[in-house]
Parts: sequence; structure tokens; C-alpha cells
Amino acid sequence: DIRMTQSPSSLSAAVGDRVSITCRASQSITNSLNWYQHKPGKAPNLLIYAASSLQSGVPSRFSGSGSGTDFTLTISSLQPGDFATYYCQQSYSTPFTFGQGTKLDIK
Amino acid sequence: QVQLVQSGPEVKKPGSSVTVSCKVSGGTVSSYVISWVRQAPGQGLEWMGRIIPIYGTSTYGQKFQGRVTFTTDESTSTAYMEVSSLTSDDTAVYYCARVLWFGDSLYGMDVWGQGTTVTVS
Repeated sequence: DIRMTQSPSSLSAAVGDRVSITCRASQSITNSLNWYQHKPGKAPNLLIYAASSLQSGVPSRFSGSGSGTDFTLTISSLQPGDFATYYCQQSYSTPFTFGQGTKLDIK
Repeated sequence: QVQLVQSGPEVKKPGSSVTVSCKVSGGTVSSYVISWVRQAPGQGLEWMGRIIPIYGTSTYGQKFQGRVTFTTDESTSTAYMEVSSLTSDDTAVYYCARVLWFGDSLYGMDVWGQGTTVTVS
């Protein structure tokens, strides 16, 4: 199985800050990397697919980059609704494993 | 627009089985790839597997192989997940989700059910 490792595991930031979350795969997954936002009591929400493609309806302050084994999710200017847990997931080979999550909270 | 609506919460005894349904509205289940994901209390998201109805194939995560079964019913446009031999470790919120499918490549999950809480006690 491909192991996905996110860093950091938790992050404190303020409204308006620029933040980045990284995700590393244990082997090359080309660009088969997705990012989700997950809030308590809600279903996860797809933000980015294929490493850098913005899902329809997702604000442009979210962006994704990377290929191979190293990927980054960037939020350019944090808004109050962005405080949540973020997960990366590879869709290169089954099982389509998730990272362990990054909890983003308010500083 | 496509929506996935899941069945209600379940409380089960250890050793029993549970079936969670996922009804597709605004589309037909046979047109999609449906994945199942779960989240145990205090834990992260865990991919359980997927079903591709048009090909009649399912793929399961290794820890679920032999204990989880995915099916679909075209007449009601509903997907089902059955988990047998339940233990307390299966206590979790279970989600169904549609997988983005372009050409021969699968991407992220763009439409999700609301989640079904399964408690094993």
C-alpha cells in the first residue's frame, strides 16, 4: 500500500494568513493526488483533484501543486470557514489511501 | 444535481452484520463509481473500497477483504455496503461518495452522502 504522510499534523493560524500543508507519498503517484476539507459532523468536501485542479465551486484561494511524491495545498488568505481538518488522498493505486490529516485551528 | 442519501444510524451487537444504503438521486448508480470511506471516533478518514457497477467489479481494502461486500440495485439507483462479523473497532461514521471519472482515470470523490453512524456495542 502507498503510505501518505502529511505535515504538520496540526497548525494554528489567523484569519488572513497564508498557510501551506504538505503531503508526501511513499512512492511516485504522478499527479494522482486529491485534497479534502472536513468539518465535524459534515461530509468531507473535495477541494483539489489531480494535484492542482480546483474542484468546481471551491474558492480560488485554495490551490494545489506538486507531482511524483511531494505535494502542497496552499490557502492564500484564511477565512473563518477554513478552520477544519484537511486530508490528502492518493488515487494512483488501490487502496486509495488518505494522509493522517492536518487540523487547522484559529490562533 | 446528483445527491447521495444514506440510511439512518445503526446500533449492532458484536458478531452481527450491518447494511448501509446510499441512494443516488439526480442520476443513476450504474453511471458512477461509488467509494466507501469510514471515520472511527477520533481517527482520520479510511478508504474501504469501491464498486464500478457498469463493469460489475468491486475493489476492497485489504483489511476489509472477506468481511465487506458492495452491491448496487439499478432499479432503485441505490448502492449498499454490508459489513459482517462486527467488532467494536467497526464503530464509525460510514460515507458513500461518487468518484470523479474522466476517461480511464479515477480522481477524487466529489459528491458525498451525509454519513451513517454505526455503533457496535
